Amino acid sequence: DAGVTQSPTHLIKTRGQQVTLRCSPISGHKSVSWYQQVLGQGPQFIFQYYEKEERGRGNFPDRFSARQFPNYSSELNVNALLLGDSALYLCASSPSVDSPLHFGNGTRLTVT
Amino acid sequence: LAKTTQPISMDSYEGQEVNITCSHNNIATNDYITWYQQFPSQGPRFIIQGYKTKVTNEVASLFIPADRKSSTLSLPRVSLSDTAVYYCLVLTGGGNKLTFGTGTQLKVEL
Repeated sequence: DAGVTQSPTHLIKTRGQQVTLRCSPISGHKSVSWYQQVLGQGPQFIFQYYEKEERGRGNFPDRFSARQFPNYSSELNVNALLLGDSALYLCASSPSVDSPLHFGNGTRLTVT
Repeated sequence: LAKTTQPISMDSYEGQEVNITCSHNNIATNDYITWYQQFPSQGPRFIIQGYKTKVTNEVASLFIPADRKSSTLSLPRVSLSDTAVYYCLVLTGGGNKLTFGTGTQLKVEL
């Protein structure tokens, strides 16, 4: 079985631009979560979706938004990019909201 | 949220058993303890989860004393490939909104 897949793997954007990151969960997993990992720190929770509804939101500004599609894939959007948004963005899926997470290998976003 | 404290780094040699202890003094009754492993440029990988006493799977054991204020991840006979960051997390009600700390950087040498 394929694991969690994320695209693109790397991305370079300029300050003020907008970016969309994509995630395909493991087949059968209905929950998708997004995390931001800055170099040298642990991942920080951004969003959780389950059955296409938002189930949790971390302490991130409204520039960050996400959605989950009927096929359970998900997109994370970040508007008005700042230099501080440079990070590894991780997507994780799970069968339900209380099962261990399966992470993808992330999208490395660099904002210049 | 229960705060966790774990060593910043640990060193070991191949073939040794490694024990990483995590403190979670304000753990609540319905909280679970879970551990993840992360290699550079990869997402974290679930290792093990438990509520009390001892849990064992094919890669690790998790020891939780009766007061549940700490837990110990035990990795038997580590190899170079076990060099990674290990995160201890406390989950409320077994839910999976994870709050990561900075983890423990384990370095295994020959």
